[in-house]
Amino acid sequence: EVQLQQSGPELVKPGASVKMSCKASGYTFTSYVMHWVKQKPGQGLEWIGYFNPYNDITKYNEKFKGKATLTSDKSSSTAYMELSSLTSEDPAVYYCARTSRDGYYAMDYWGQGTSVTVSS
Amino acid sequence: QIVLTHSPAIMSAFLGEKVTMTCSASSSVSYMHWYQQKSGTFPKRWIYDTSKLASGVPARFSGSGSGTSYSLTISSMEAEDEATYYCQQWSSNPPTFGAGTKLELK
Repeated sequence: EVQLQQSGPELVKPGASVKMSCKASGYTFTSYVMHWVKQKPGQGLEWIGYFNPYNDITKYNEKFKGKATLTSDKSSSTAYMELSSLTSEDPAVYYCARTSRDGYYAMDYWGQGTSVTVSS
Repeated sequence: QIVLTHSPAIMSAFLGEKVTMTCSASSSVSYMHWYQQKSGTFPKRWIYDTSKLASGVPARFSGSGSGTSYSLTISSMEAEDEATYYCQQWSSNPPTFGAGTKLELK
């Protein structure tokens, strides 16, 4: 069974950074691209970027360049996203989502989300 | 980037009523994906490649469309269908989502 298990909620001070994880299981980690998606409270979904664990290629939404850094640890089948210089625009739930290889690359499995709160 | 616009933003339906929501793209796309998100939970792939139902999705759901206009239809509304539905494309970079249609039970 495919599962994406994300790390727990984060409370971070303004200006600080946070690194969250997404541990994959039930499939070959390096065979699927991993997306990251932001959802502000009460709002829609916003694509941050994707990471290809096979060749370490990343692609970012222009809006998140300099804000998000995507990496992975193949040995533990874990994807990471680090957000830097957190501001009042960053509180949200952040999801990892796997790209399907069935068809036209929908996001077929999602993590449960990591909630980020920014407060001093 | 391609902008996806849902119509309507919010809608309500009676049990058993037919429901249709649309997603319009600012430029032509080759296909559309739809996700269902219930309050407090993560999104789920619901319809992919315009018209294919994800595993476990009831047959009362269907998807159609081409070019700049796509739709999701529920043939007969059920209580469990209350959710927000998002369309998404990756015909061109970056992948984009619509703002969603919130479907409520009347």
